[in-house]
Amino acid sequence: DGGITQSPKYLFRKEGQNVTLSCEQNLNHDAMYWYRQDPGQGLRLIYYSQIVNDFQKGDIAEGYSVSREKKESFPLTVTSAQKNPTAFYLCASRRDSYSSSNYGYTFGSGTRLTVV
Amino acid sequence: GENVEQHPSTLSVQEGDSAVIKCTYSDSASNYFPWYKQELGKRPQLIIDIRSNVGEKKDQRIAVTLNKTAKHFSLHITETQPEDSAVYFCAASRSYNTDKLIFGTGTRLQVFP
Repeated sequence: DGGITQSPKYLFRKEGQNVTLSCEQNLNHDAMYWYRQDPGQGLRLIYYSQIVNDFQKGDIAEGYSVSREKKESFPLTVTSAQKNPTAFYLCASRRDSYSSSNYGYTFGSGTRLTVV
Repeated sequence: GENVEQHPSTLSVQEGDSAVIKCTYSDSASNYFPWYKQELGKRPQLIIDIRSNVGEKKDQRIAVTLNKTAKHFSLHITETQPEDSAVYFCAASRSYNTDKLIFGTGTRLQVFP
């Protein structure tokens, strides 16, 4: 799956419930990112991590939490404090060096979260 | 804060025509500008990128131009085909390898046969 795997593909959350979205990569990338995609709003950065055991808030971190205990894994928890969590969530990782052929993020296939 | 504006939000062209999507950025320290294509239900894929020491880059039917003075960059698709139909995102960051990407809001391109 392109070296970065997100699961589950679809997730339903009840009001007041915390849910965790999985993101795993086997590309040996140092940096990992979580974006939220809403119609007409593009991709907005939630959290990112450039190294194990370290992460930074993005533009819309409220109501979300992350951990980076292993280089390969960057799970995202959507907490009950996130009032409007219904969206498409994309995880990405980044190569460290530039090559003339291709550079940039590698994205996972996404998780669609719906509040029921 | 850092911001990337993208226009138009939707674009319809006839097959064989050209399409142009424009982006402006606010952070003058930005120097890496990739473009992503996202087909319906799929993940975004990098299609072309440009760094600030280059004004234009071309790859077959797609090209990107950069004007650092005006802080804007554009994607040009020539000889459009129905398979070019997708949502296109521009993005900007301060570094190609050490900084987060800030994305534009996307352009939905439809190519009619």
